Amino acid sequence: AQKITQTQPGMFVQEKEAVTLDCTYDTSDPSYGLFWYKQPSSGEMIFLIYQGSYDQQNATEGRYSLNFQKARKSANLVISASQLGDSAMYFCAMREGNTGGFKTIFGAGTRLFVKA
Amino acid sequence: DAGITQSPRHKVTETGTPVTLRCHQTENHRYMYWYRQDPGHGLRLIHYSYGVKDTDKGEVSDGYSVSRSKTEDFLLTLESATSSQTSVYFCATSSGSEDTQYFGPGTRLTVL
Repeated sequence: AQKITQTQPGMFVQEKEAVTLDCTYDTSDPSYGLFWYKQPSSGEMIFLIYQGSYDQQNATEGRYSLNFQKARKSANLVISASQLGDSAMYFCAMREGNTGGFKTIFGAGTRLFVKA
Repeated sequence: DAGITQSPRHKVTETGTPVTLRCHQTENHRYMYWYRQDPGHGLRLIHYSYGVKDTDKGEVSDGYSVSRSKTEDFLLTLESATSSQTSVYFCATSSGSEDTQYFGPGTRLTVL
């Protein structure tokens, strides 16, 4: 069963606007972690943000925030004030705790295009 | 960054030949991972290591083997490469099992 779902293969956003990239997950493990990575055209995988399942507040890192809705099992990435350099592929990932060990599962990704 | 390097960065080989990819890290992280990235699949775990000489299979381990004789090095071997193993291979490391994984630059492997 697919455990990480990113339903948006591609998205466009106007420069300086905010954009939300969707991610839903499926797990029965009460302990898990959620990650977002950015992959620019150069190919490297860049860690952006992390949310633990027991964290009470949404994670934020600069212009990135993670909209964590535990009951809905969603972990959407919000990028505020988009920049041209934000154009990239974005991957949502989940690490299950007790039952999954430290294996991290990735979604198929969303390609974001920022328009000038 | 975790100071992770991969070699080679690009390789073209023929079906049936053995191939070894190397991952080297300078951060003394205990955990290391090999992933492959294919269009439409995101990243899929091939093998991982939780210490020197301690390794286990991931989601797509068939046709691959690994070895870790030192903390800093994690080798991925394709004993007899097939065209289906054409992919981009990423190494990652983490300090703890529940910590963030940091990735190397990737190796693009083409099997003709």
